[in-house]
Formats: sequence, C-alpha cells, structure tokens
Amino acid sequence: QAVLTQPASLSASPGASASLTCTLRSGINVGTYRIYWYQQKPGSPPQYLLRYKSDSDKQQGSGVPSRFSGSKDASANAGILLISGLQSEDEADYYCTIWHSSAWVFGGGTKLTVL
Amino acid sequence: QVTLKESGPALVKPTQTLTLTCTFSGFSVSTSGMRVSWIRQPPGKALEWLARIDWDDEKFYSTSLKTRLTISKDTSKNQVVLTMTNMDPVDTATYYCARFLGAFDIWGQGTMVTVSS
Repeated sequence: QAVLTQPASLSASPGASASLTCTLRSGINVGTYRIYWYQQKPGSPPQYLLRYKSDSDKQQGSGVPSRFSGSKDASANAGILLISGLQSEDEADYYCTIWHSSAWVFGGGTKLTVL
Repeated sequence: QVTLKESGPALVKPTQTLTLTCTFSGFSVSTSGMRVSWIRQPPGKALEWLARIDWDDEKFYSTSLKTRLTISKDTSKNQVVLTMTNMDPVDTATYYCARFLGAFDIWGQGTMVTVSS
C-alpha cells in the first residue's frame, strides 16, 4: 500500500469548491506530519502552494491566493487541499508530499478538471 | 532572484551512468537551513523524490534507489550534482532540482533524460 494516496482525478465547476484528499497509509498518523501541496500545469515544474500541519503550524506559499487552504481529516487520516471559487486556471495536477522515514514521499497526484 | 537550472545528457544508454548538474543562483547552499533535492517525473506519471543534500553536507536518498545514487555539492560553483548508475529505460524522465527552504519553494525547469540504446 502506498504511503500517500490521492484520487487520480476530480472534476468541479467554475465558482465551486474542490476538496482534494491525500490519505496516509494506515499506521502513519496524519497528525504528526506537515503536508505540503504542489500544483503542476502541463509542461511546467510544480509550484508550491502551501503546507499544513495544524491551524498553528501552516504556511501559504508566496503569492498563493487565500482561496487555496489546507486542513486535515483525522478520522480519515488524510490531508485536504481545499480550493474555493474555482477558476479555469486551477485546472492542473496537484501533489501532496510528506517527509517520512528520512525521505520525501509524493502522492500519485490528482488531476483537477474545471468544467 | 533565485533560479535553478538542470543540465546533463538528453540521451543515455542502458547500463551507463547519468550525471546531472543543478546550477543555481540567488542563494548559497552553505547557508544554514538550505537544502537541495533532486526529483524526477516519468512522462505522464507522478513525481518521485530521489535525493537531498543539506547545507551541512548531510545527505538523504530514496530507499528504493539509494544504491544507485550519489549527491554532492560544490559550494564555490553553486552546483549540486547527482549521479545515477546503471541506467535503465524505466529511468526515462524529466529530472528536476529544487530548493527546499521551508518547502520546495523554487524548482528548476527540469531536464528530460531518455534511456535508450
């Protein structure tokens, strides 16, 4: 089982909100990790969006709009990237990552379609 | 302005050793807290972290690839070098270097490496 699992795809309408999940493998407690989120558009390197561990330990990437926010669902053992007020430019691949056992681990990515 | 740029061969043969160089500007890798990683992405697939080197020369490697990887830095040249031995067609990917300062905040544009005979 992968350390981080992301749904392969998600579709949402312009103006709506999208909740992207990053589920940690059973036995790895989401509460102990900073979860980092990156956005990647075709032909470009990933761009840092934000990191979230708790409401007192979070950081927004430079220039990243506040409609991108992070949270956690402890019951699901998952990190969440919430994008509100979806815009066409938000259509991209989104990756989560954590530092686990002395290595960076990336999720498989979620392709967000805005239609 | 902080920039990173990857360079290396576009094509390598199976079993050869790949050497990639990340040349950066706008920061020093010897500054406390500074870290540089290599990350790759096969065509149409997800990101995969490879290796990291820290300001104090501490190094970390992907568990699955550690026997094939070596990361080093040349502070005077503002470069971080990654070598990967015994290349295979499955190693075909875009290879990125990225600065880590609280997050992977700055990425290079990536360099595409194809492994083929």
